[in-house]
Amino acid sequence: SAVISQKPSRDICQRGTSLTIQCQVDSQVTMMFWYRQQPGQSLTLIATANQGSEATYESGFVIDKFPISRPNLTFSTLTVSNMSPEDSSIYLCSVEDGQGRDRELFFGEGSRLTVL
Amino acid sequence: GENVEQHPSTLSVQEGDSAVIKCTYSDSASNYFPWYKQELGKRPQLIIDIRSNVGEKKDQRIAVTLNKTAKHFSLHITETQPEDSAVYFCAPTRGGGNTGKLIFGQGTTLQVKP
Repeated sequence: SAVISQKPSRDICQRGTSLTIQCQVDSQVTMMFWYRQQPGQSLTLIATANQGSEATYESGFVIDKFPISRPNLTFSTLTVSNMSPEDSSIYLCSVEDGQGRDRELFFGEGSRLTVL
Repeated sequence: GENVEQHPSTLSVQEGDSAVIKCTYSDSASNYFPWYKQELGKRPQLIIDIRSNVGEKKDQRIAVTLNKTAKHFSLHITETQPEDSAVYFCAPTRGGGNTGKLIFGQGTTLQVKP
């Protein structure tokens, strides 16, 4: 199974600042997925990041707020821009691994952001 | 888009009892039905999944049953143990071979009392 490392694991941020979350995978993957989990809530897909092309954003999420980079097949970053307290969440990087019916989605440990 | 609902939102059982969580969905084209477990402070992890051409799948104490006609699938945990205490999420999708873009239910908090 894929091993996914995220940095930072947690941070406390000031309103109006931006923070970049890094995601490193131990194998080459075509797509990487960024999810958000607000406190006590479910997971919501923010965007899909393909290497060499712009990320595809889900409804309600825009590139200006959540710019994503995907410079190679093992790495991606998500920036949370101009943060407000409503951005306090866990941000999770994820990738698919496996073949056929054994294919599944694996998550990183998440980056817990608190915005004051 | 897909509308996903889980019931119940919380469930408390005695150790050794069974637990059942139901997930209903709206997209009749959904063909991949996973269940994720998220322990407190940890990442979500896939515990079992089923694809649309199968009605039931078992893995030791956990099982998933699918009713495509009624558009619901259920997670069954038998002989519950305290370590089963967690939040469980369903995430039905039409992904087929693509399991990455998931729409998660709101979650069910399971508490197993020793």
